[in-house]
Amino acid sequence: EADIYQTPRYLVIGTGKKITLECSQTMGHDKMYWYQQDPGMELHLIHYSYGVNSTEKGDLSSESTVSRIRTEHFPLTLESARPSHTSQYLCASSDHRGPYEQYFGPGTRLTVT
Amino acid sequence: LAKTTQPISMDSYEGQEVNITCSHNNIATNDYITWYQQFPSQGPRFIIQGYKTKVTNEVASLFIPADRKSSTLSLPRVSLSDTAVYYCLVGGIYGGATNKLIFGTGTLLAVQP
Repeated sequence: EADIYQTPRYLVIGTGKKITLECSQTMGHDKMYWYQQDPGMELHLIHYSYGVNSTEKGDLSSESTVSRIRTEHFPLTLESARPSHTSQYLCASSDHRGPYEQYFGPGTRLTVT
Repeated sequence: LAKTTQPISMDSYEGQEVNITCSHNNIATNDYITWYQQFPSQGPRFIIQGYKTKVTNEVASLFIPADRKSSTLSLPRVSLSDTAVYYCLVGGIYGGATNKLIFGTGTLLAVQP
């Protein structure tokens, strides 16, 4: 089993709050990814990282930001949550040998009221 | 961008072989084709990956014709536990190039007794 963790699993929060979704992996993978998925819909890549201090935006525009200060850690932050941010956020990682068997975390289900 | 097209849903019975086809007419020379399985409230799980011809592992086979404009995931003798959404993924990230990762809409496979 892949060792990639996301916390919290579920989060209900009010509009305007700042939130950080945590993602950590213990596999030493260089590449990490954030996807957004609405119920019954496809996954959309919103952020990815090649390694420490490297981040890029994905194909779906997102108001969230990410950082990669440590190899194992790739947190996603929303400065001011809005109801439109309600979705499932999935974190994944893969090693440096492309491509890409991506290992996914269990996801964070975010609800903004 | 290599957009993918899959059937929205498929039905099968236990013990049957299931073939799910994905169209990707604009696949690039360096793109790989990867299939994932996703159960409700979980992150996707890697099934198989290929570049051309045929690839087989312990759970599935992947058939890719010479023009690589489509691919077929073959699941032998499905069981009830194979009921899930199956995603076709084309693309990847190569060095500094941002060949974006595109997930298909997914195919919901429903296996009945």
